[in-house]
Amino acid sequence: DGGITQSPKYLFRKEGQNVTLSCEQNLNHDAMYWYRQDPGQGLRLIYYSQIVNDFQKGDIAEGYSVSREKKESFPLTVTSAQKNPTAFYLCASSIPGSDFHSGANVLTFGAGSRLTVL
Amino acid sequence: KNQVEQSPQSLIILEGKNCTLQCNYTVSPFSNLRWYKQDTGRGPVSLTIMTFSENTKSNGRYTATLDADTKQSSLHITASQLSDSASYICVVSASNYQLIWGAGTKLIIKP
Repeated sequence: DGGITQSPKYLFRKEGQNVTLSCEQNLNHDAMYWYRQDPGQGLRLIYYSQIVNDFQKGDIAEGYSVSREKKESFPLTVTSAQKNPTAFYLCASSIPGSDFHSGANVLTFGAGSRLTVL
Repeated sequence: KNQVEQSPQSLIILEGKNCTLQCNYTVSPFSNLRWYKQDTGRGPVSLTIMTFSENTKSNGRYTATLDADTKQSSLHITASQLSDSASYICVVSASNYQLIWGAGTKLIIKP
């Protein structure tokens, strides 16, 4: 079955550590995204990538980094510079690259990764 | 400032009853409006997408309406089932390719 796989499901981090969240898709989608979800708030865009080897900052990119070396993979690193990293992280993908927020473009989400800072 | 506000924050209804969730937005320019369903601890799943010219769209027991003049949308759930328990999120897409997400309405269906 096609879909998006995020791992790990749960992750604990000590202060000062970097952690990497994995996102893999087998939908052959060009565009991939990382969102952060906090209680009582709407999803916020961290980074997005419309094509391999290219990515752009979203609304809250500070303290995060990404890479897009393969079409199928878009890992997110939460660095020690992110002061409040405890949150639910969602990876998504969509078909079009250049028109990624058009009306015909539906985001497909993974099951999410919950990061907790100890 | 582009904003999407949803009401109520949470709602509890009995199984089999109908309910309506509200979404008000102040997004300009407007491209389309989407409703997503998010089960606890899972990613959101798309229910409907409506463009400016569409007033209503159905997906099974889910019916979304859009009034572009008043900038309001609603999601009506008919004959609710226990599996409808989830958060329902309204998302508005601006023509500059920005997605504005609401905080969601948490719906609980009781047997």
